[in-house]
Amino acid sequence: GAVVSQHPSRVICKSGTSVKIECRSLDFQATTMFWYRQFPKQSLMLMATSNEGSKATYEQGVEKDKFLINHASLTLSTLTVTSAHPEDSSFYICSAKLAGPPDTQYFGPGTRLTVL
Amino acid sequence: KQEVTQIPAALSVPEGENLVLNCSFTDSAIYNLQWFRQDPGKGLTSLLLIQSSQREQTSGRLNASLDKSSGRSTLYIAASQPGDSATYLCAVRNSGNTPLVFGKGTRLSVIA
Repeated sequence: GAVVSQHPSRVICKSGTSVKIECRSLDFQATTMFWYRQFPKQSLMLMATSNEGSKATYEQGVEKDKFLINHASLTLSTLTVTSAHPEDSSFYICSAKLAGPPDTQYFGPGTRLTVL
Repeated sequence: KQEVTQIPAALSVPEGENLVLNCSFTDSAIYNLQWFRQDPGKGLTSLLLIQSSQREQTSGRLNASLDKSSGRSTLYIAASQPGDSATYLCAVRNSGNTPLVFGKGTRLSVIA
C-alpha cells in the first residue's frame, strides 16, 4: 500500500520557537494532504486541508498565521508551528490522498511535539 | 456538520471473547467509512474501508458492517487476543473530496 512518512517523529522545543514538520508521500502523488492534531485520549481533529500549489483551507478555530502549511509539491507538505507555546504540545498526524476513487486517505506515523 | 460517536469509550474483555464496537454518524449521506487501529503514541493502521454501496467488509478476524440509512457501523472482532489491545477509531467521509471525520475511539483491553 501507499506509504506516508513524517519527520521528525518527535520534537521538543522551547516556548517561542518555530517547528517545521514534514509530510511526504513516498510512492504516490498526493493531490490533497490533510493535517490533524490529536490531544491525549482525544480523537483526531482536522486542522487544515491543502491542495498542491494552492493555499490551505483551515478549519474553524485553527489560526492560519500560527500553523503555516505549505504544499509545495505532489509529494511534500509541511506544517510549521510558529511561536510555539506549551498548549501547542500535541500529536500531529498528516494524511495524503490520491485523486479519484476509492479516495483512500493514507496516514503518516505522526509527530509528537512537546513545547517546554 | 458530520459528527461521529463511538460506544463504548473503553472496553475490557478476557482473551478469546468475541466483541462488537459501535460507531454512529449524524449525516447518513456518507461516501465511505473506515475503521482504524491506533496503538499508544503511534499513528493509524487502516483495518477496513466500506464504501457507501457496501454492507460489510471482512479481514481475518475482523468484520465491519455498515447500515447507512440508520447511520451506524459495527466492528466485530472474533476470538480476541491480547495483541488486539489498542484504540479503535471509526471515521467517515461525506464525499470523495472531503476529509475523514473521526470518532473519539474505543479503547480496547484484552486480558490474557
